[in-house]
Amino acid sequence: DVVMTQSPISLPVTLGQPASISCRSSQSLVYSDGNTYLNWFQQRPGQSPRRLIYKVFNRDSGVPDRFSGSGSGTDFTLEISRVEAEDVGVYYCMQGTHWPPWTFGQGTKVEIK
Amino acid sequence: EVQLVESGGGLVQPGGSLRLSCAASGFTFSSYEMNWVRQAPGKGLEWVSYISSSGSTIYYADSVKGRFTISRDNAKNSLYLQMNSLRAEDTAVYYCARRIDYWGQGTLVTVSS
Repeated sequence: DVVMTQSPISLPVTLGQPASISCRSSQSLVYSDGNTYLNWFQQRPGQSPRRLIYKVFNRDSGVPDRFSGSGSGTDFTLEISRVEAEDVGVYYCMQGTHWPPWTFGQGTKVEIK
Repeated sequence: EVQLVESGGGLVQPGGSLRLSCAASGFTFSSYEMNWVRQAPGKGLEWVSYISSSGSTIYYADSVKGRFTISRDNAKNSLYLQMNSLRAEDTAVYYCARRIDYWGQGTLVTVSS
């Protein structure tokens, strides 16, 4: 199974400042069709997960443009350009290339300093 | 608007059974693959099971294989998860997800004596 490793586990940030979360996979996430199936999810306190980013850098509908995804192969990053109070929560990366099983990172908790 | 509403969770003794349901609306259910994903209290996300749009292809996580059965009724726009031989470690919020893009609000399963 592909292991997804996120860092940091906890990320205190100042409102209006940028934030960056790293996700590394134990093997390349490039699929035979040329796509890289790496997703990012946001889980606000008390809510179900919401997908923010698919295939590395594509934002889902309604996702603010302050969220961006990048990376390739085994190394990926989710960036928030200017953190807002509503961004507090846990962020997960997930790979959909080598399935089953789909596997998630352990999560990064974003909180306001 | 895509809506996924889980039901059927509750308290069950170890070794017992439960059947979860997920009612789908706002999209053509019969055209989409579906998944169950769970989250133990205070923990991360774990993929549980997948079913193709027709129901002909099914996968399970090793942790539930042989105990859980996923199924769907496209005429009723419904997804199911039959859970047998439940263990304490199956305690979690269970989410149904359309592919992996839209998630329901989850239903809590507690396995305890």
